[in-house]
Amino acid sequence: QQQVKQSPQSLIVQKGGISIINCAYENTAFDYFPWYQQFPGKGPALLIAIRPDVSEKKEGRFTISFNKSAKQFSLHIMDSQPGDSATYFCAASMKETSGSRLTFGEGTQLTVNP
Amino acid sequence: EADIYQTPRYLVIGTGKKITLECSQTMGHDKMYWYQQDPGMELHLIHYSYGVNSTEKGDLSSESTVSRIRTEHFPLTLESARPSHTSQYLCASRPSGYNSPLHFGNGTRLTVT
Repeated sequence: QQQVKQSPQSLIVQKGGISIINCAYENTAFDYFPWYQQFPGKGPALLIAIRPDVSEKKEGRFTISFNKSAKQFSLHIMDSQPGDSATYFCAASMKETSGSRLTFGEGTQLTVNP
Repeated sequence: EADIYQTPRYLVIGTGKKITLECSQTMGHDKMYWYQQDPGMELHLIHYSYGVNSTEKGDLSSESTVSRIRTEHFPLTLESARPSHTSQYLCASRPSGYNSPLHFGNGTRLTVT
């Protein structure tokens, strides 16, 4: 059962453009939404995260937009650079009695052309 | 740079062999995880542990087993490897506390011939 759906599966953007990756979730108990970035040959690494009590979080060129009523959140990469080429995963988690487990989206392979 | 170590980095092995994928972390994290990542990129949780002597199965059924005898060590074992086990295996850890970030190793790419 896929509780976090991510799109698109792949994305090609020109250098300087805006990359947008979207995620939708089903479980309204989710209350933490991180994005992970994975380069080839490496494990994923935390990029940026948001809680549902805010609608937007910005860190440098990376912004998360969050729409609680629509149960959607998205990652925007402004002024995309070739070095941003990687696979991006959205995720969601909620408090559980035995800890918080992340549910990942399917991943988006981003290619930024020079 | 990496505080979580996985060995071997690559492994090619024949069908029926027993293998153990090693994972160690030096950060003192209580929570550790094993994910399987297919060429299609999606991450599937196969095992997790919230502390010593604690192990649980994840969301994706796996024929592998894990153990957690020491906080820093979380090995994954396949008793009899099959071609269907060919995949990338990623180990991760995180400290206690809600919203703590996952720290991933660089993975073991397993090929079973």
